[in-house]
Amino acid sequence: KAGVTQTPRYLIKTRGQQVTLSCSPISGHRSVSWYQQTPGQGLQFLFEYFSETQRNKGNFPGRFSGRQFSNSRSEMNVSTLELGDSALYLCASSPRPGTGGNEQYFGPGTRLTVT
Amino acid sequence: GQNIDQPTEMTATEGAIVQINCTYQTSGFNGLFWYQQHAGEAPTFLSYNVLDGLEEKGRFSSFLSRSKGYSYLLLKELQMKDSASYLCAVNTGFQKLVFGTGTRLLVSP
Repeated sequence: KAGVTQTPRYLIKTRGQQVTLSCSPISGHRSVSWYQQTPGQGLQFLFEYFSETQRNKGNFPGRFSGRQFSNSRSEMNVSTLELGDSALYLCASSPRPGTGGNEQYFGPGTRLTVT
Repeated sequence: GQNIDQPTEMTATEGAIVQINCTYQTSGFNGLFWYQQHAGEAPTFLSYNVLDGLEEKGRFSSFLSRSKGYSYLLLKELQMKDSASYLCAVNTGFQKLVFGTGTRLLVSP
């Protein structure tokens, strides 16, 4: 079974631009979560989608948004990029929603650099 | 608020045993996870605890005490490839994982 895939793997943008990152979950997985990882803050939860609905959101500004399609693929968008948005963006999928024992499988991440 | 504490760095010798502690204070608890992350790679799942007690999985074991807000990951028979960061994470509901900043483990020969 193929793992979680994320595209692109690396991205360089300038301040003020916007960016869209894509995530394809493991086949059959319907829940997709997004995380931002930086050296100072570690892994921080952005949002989670299930059946095209955002069910949970972390403490990030409205510049960060996402969506999920009917095939469970997900995208996240960051508008008006700031230098502080430079980070590794990780997507994780899991098969069932809301159940505590449901480990999340992470993709390789998209490394975003904002200059 | 959400608070998860782990030691920043630990060192150990090949073949030894190491225990990585994690304390947490979160609004909501739906299980605690341990992940391993090698430099430049994605986190990979190691263990999950939702009830008090010890879960054993080969060389790795994880313990949870919900009343104390405490967990540990025990690694036995350390190997060089175990050098990595170990992340403690609490599921606070609806797949929202709150992570600690991770413990970087260095295994030396």
